Amino acid sequence: NAGVTQTPKFRVLKTGQSMTLLCAQDMNHEYMYWYRQDPGMGLRLIHYSVGEGTTAKGEVPDGYNVSRLKKQNFLLGLESAAPSQTSVYFCASSYRTTGTYNEQFFGPGTRLTVL
Amino acid sequence: DAKTTQPNSMESNEEEPVHLPCNHSTISGTDYIHWYRQLPSQGPEYVIHGLTSNVNNRMASLAIAEDRKSSTLILHRATLRDAAVYYCILRDGNKLVFGAGTILRVKS
Repeated sequence: NAGVTQTPKFRVLKTGQSMTLLCAQDMNHEYMYWYRQDPGMGLRLIHYSVGEGTTAKGEVPDGYNVSRLKKQNFLLGLESAAPSQTSVYFCASSYRTTGTYNEQFFGPGTRLTVL
Repeated sequence: DAKTTQPNSMESNEEEPVHLPCNHSTISGTDYIHWYRQLPSQGPEYVIHGLTSNVNNRMASLAIAEDRKSSTLILHRATLRDAAVYYCILRDGNKLVFGAGTILRVKS
């Protein structure tokens, strides 16, 4: 199993450009998440999805959109990139919360620079 | 959201035990305590979790105070590969809320 994969690994954008980050998981997980991590800080949740066709806002959703058309994929879009969105983006997935155990599996990250 | 407090950094010698503390004085009765770690240039990975009782797995042990206001992650024999940022997290429903974590440095 590949686990959680992210495409691309690196990207440089100019202010105002758009792009889509792709996250894929092969573990049949119901839940998927997008986080961003700025230097010296912990991860902050952008958006998440509890199932195919559903999405919800996290802690820092402004400037981002997401879609979950297929269970195994979760897309993160930046419509008009800004320098403040320079960050490392991590995708994660997990089984549906059972109330006891909810390990999240993380991808390797996408390093995005907006000039 | 219930919050956690961890030291910014700690240092350990290789092959020695490491005790990483975490304070969570506002924890509720149903909050699970999770620990994740992030190796350099990688995504976080799950380490261990617990509710009230101490827990052991192949990676570490988790000691939870009787009043649940603090916990300690124990690495029994630190190796150079354990150098990472360790996050103590109280789960908020299906979401994990990360703090800045503790940077663990391991000296050979």
